Amino acid sequence: DAGVTQSPTHLIKTRGQQVTLRCSPKSGHDTVSWYQQALGQGPQFIFQYYEEEERQRGNFPDRFSGHQFPNYSSELNVNALLLGDSALYLCASSPTRLSYEQYFGPGTRLTVT
Amino acid sequence: DQQVKQNSPSLSVQEGRISILNCDYTNSMFDYFLWYKKYPAEGPTFLISISSIKDKNEDGRFTVFLNKSAKHLSLHIVPSQPGDSAVYFCAALKNYGGSQGNLIFGKGTKLSVKP
Repeated sequence: DAGVTQSPTHLIKTRGQQVTLRCSPKSGHDTVSWYQQALGQGPQFIFQYYEEEERQRGNFPDRFSGHQFPNYSSELNVNALLLGDSALYLCASSPTRLSYEQYFGPGTRLTVT
Repeated sequence: DQQVKQNSPSLSVQEGRISILNCDYTNSMFDYFLWYKKYPAEGPTFLISISSIKDKNEDGRFTVFLNKSAKHLSLHIVPSQPGDSAVYFCAALKNYGGSQGNLIFGKGTKLSVKP
């Protein structure tokens, strides 16, 4: 049983560019959350998707957007990249009814130069 | 405004001894508290959780204690093993009437267990 998978593993972008990160949830999970982890910090909640809609959102600007597909996989898009967007982006999935169980993928390391 | 705080960035213990990792929180509305363990180049792995209505939860070598009046929780690892060396994150969650809330993490404590 595959866990949460994310792609790509690493990514280098230039300031002002746009980036798309991908996540496949654990089998049987229909809720996907995205987190940003800056160096030396704990993960910070970006948003959560369920039934292809954004259900909750953290304190992130509109440059951060997402999508969930019918197969529950998800994308995180970041427009107009800033140097401060450099971080590890983590995807977590969970079964809807077990509200506190979140399983994390290995993350995508984004570097903005 | 940090709602979940881990004030010790690092902790070093001897193999076989007890490791105690601490966490403080400010929001009395949190429903669950969780500990995650993270190795380099991997995502956080769920370790143990505790509901806000309990004061202790045990799973093998790991025990979490919750003191609601002090808004404090701690993770005890006994006995500590070198493989426990990792960054430990404390996280809290508020359940919104059955729909899943988001995890709020502390900054983490790096545990080093020396042989």
